[in-house]
Order: sequence, then C-alpha cells, then structure tokens
Amino acid sequence: ILNVEQSPQSLHVQEGDSTNFTCSFPSSNFYALHWYRWETAKSPEALFVMTLNGDEKKKGRISATLNTKEGYSYLYIKGSQPEDSATYLCAPYGQAGTALIFGKGTTLSVSS
Amino acid sequence: GAVVSQHPSRVICKSGTSVKIECRSLDFQATTMFWYRQFPKQSLMLMATSNEGSKATYEQGVEKDKFLINHASLTLSTLTVTSAHPEDSSFYICSARRGEETQYFGPGTRLLVL
Repeated sequence: ILNVEQSPQSLHVQEGDSTNFTCSFPSSNFYALHWYRWETAKSPEALFVMTLNGDEKKKGRISATLNTKEGYSYLYIKGSQPEDSATYLCAPYGQAGTALIFGKGTTLSVSS
Repeated sequence: GAVVSQHPSRVICKSGTSVKIECRSLDFQATTMFWYRQFPKQSLMLMATSNEGSKATYEQGVEKDKFLINHASLTLSTLTVTSAHPEDSSFYICSARRGEETQYFGPGTRLLVL
C-alpha cells in the first residue's frame, strides 16, 4: 500500500500527557498493518500487528486500534514518558508476504 | 524479539570505491531479507527484497547494477554499493523476516561518500 499518511509529522508533549497519532491508508485491499517504534541510534522495534477491523492491541501504556473500513489506525500513548520519545512508523499492506512500505512516521518528543 | 545485526554501522569512503554492508539474522533463519534507504527527513524507502538462493527483486527506480544484493545463506545478506558517489550517501537499513512474520530490523549503516 503506497498511499500511507501519518499525522502529525511531529509532536512535542510534556511528561504525563497522553497522546495519539494517526495512520491513514486506502481501505481497499487491506491485509494487515504493522506499527514500529524507532528510537534514535537503535533498530526499529515492532510494536503491533493489526489485522481485523476493530482490533485493539495494548502493550503497557501504548495501545492501537484499527478501522479497515475507513482506512485508519490510531496509536495511543497514555501518560507519556521521556523514554517514549521516538519516531513511530506504520506500515499497512495488502498481501501476505509482501515487504513493508512505511509512512513518514510521527516523531514524538516527551519533555520531563 | 529476534536480533538482526548490521555491519559496519558507519562508513566513509572515497568517490568511485565500492562499499559492502552486511546484514545478519543472529537467532533465526531468514527466508527473506529487505534493504531500505532513508533520505533526510523521509521515511524508509524499500530498495529491494532478497530471498535466499535467488536473485533480488528491486523496486522501481533502484539500479540493480549499482546496488548489488546477495543473499547466499539464511542468515546473511549483503548490499554492495558499487562505484559510490556522493549522492549515494545515505542511511541504509536491512530487515529480516522469518516466513510471513514480522520484519526485524538491523541498526542501520550510515554511508558517507566523499
């Protein structure tokens, strides 16, 4: 899926704030969506794989939802901490086994 | 999660030389590996997909004679930037996938061509 939009492009919040980002994609031909977190000087880390409409997944303070009918996924971070500072990438794709094509990402900066 | 290493992490070379970047899956056998490139302030751009024992599949606009990819074993893929020029300076990152599962990324290689 090539038309992947992530918003906002960047975000700066204070420690303790909750925040969310959006990944938008064409709703046709959807198979699955990956969320990755990419901290500076580290490897991108897989967070979630979303497949079903209505999916909601959680990992600690981070959660994600998926709406395949309208073509978007939200990533939520509750009570942001400085260690959450990273670029968050999404990669929806339309067929099993294909390479991940990423959006430009949302860069989150959390100040203490 | 699975571990993927990449070497070198940083390389500076003269224009016209070739540079080889290695990508290894350390704790699993990767049937498929991917090479990405990141331009400043841009996302990861897929360059090519390589399957062990077969020729790589390059994305449109990526010169296969410029960026040679070899995936000789289930744990190693290499990217060789041939006759590098300053415009090849970029961040190159690989990932490895086990079957149809999640892609696990290496830490990337910063290439600077003088």
